[in-house]
Amino acid sequence: DQQVKQNSPSLSVQEGRISILNCDYTNSMFDYFLWYKKYPAEGPTFLISISSIKDKNEDGRFTVFLNKSAKHLSLHIVPSQPGDSAVYFCAASVVAGTYKYIFGTGTRLKVLA
Amino acid sequence: DAGVTQSPTHLIKTRGQQVTLRCSPKSGHDTVSWYQQALGQGPQFIFQYYEEEERQRGNFPDRFSGHQFPNYSSELNVNALLLGDSALYLCASSLIGLYKYFGPGTRLTVL
Repeated sequence: DQQVKQNSPSLSVQEGRISILNCDYTNSMFDYFLWYKKYPAEGPTFLISISSIKDKNEDGRFTVFLNKSAKHLSLHIVPSQPGDSAVYFCAASVVAGTYKYIFGTGTRLKVLA
Repeated sequence: DAGVTQSPTHLIKTRGQQVTLRCSPKSGHDTVSWYQQALGQGPQFIFQYYEEEERQRGNFPDRFSGHQFPNYSSELNVNALLLGDSALYLCASSLIGLYKYFGPGTRLTVL
């Protein structure tokens, strides 16, 4: 049972435009959500997170939106840059527990120059 | 600060063998988690160690075991290797309550 789903395996965006990556979850107990970016031959790198008490969190070019009623979150990258090309993983956690992360299968973003 | 380090980088084993992977957490971190990432999948939680004890375990068989040492470093052991154990094994460290830092991983190939 895939509790965290990223239904788009890949996404191509023109440099300077907005990239929108989506993630859906099924477990209503999740209350902490994260996005990680992964380059080839490297481990995942933390990008941004959001607690379920918020519906938006912003950090520079990256904004994460959380819609709890729809059990959906999205990552917006504006403007997109070629260096953003990577695989992006959405992850969810129950903060009150042991903080294990449940990851989605990832979306490969390609930003075209 | 070296961040999370893992060794070895790559490893090739044959079915039935045993393997030990090693992880040194980021300086100041006391919690270590291990994840398995199969090709085309997201990382899957194996287990987490805190204060030298396994605190939480994912849906992995007993062939997967681990250890945390007093200096917070950790080992992942896999016995009786199967072809399906071929994957990237990621170690992540954190302080309780904060997000995890991941290492570069160990690529295990089982032939």
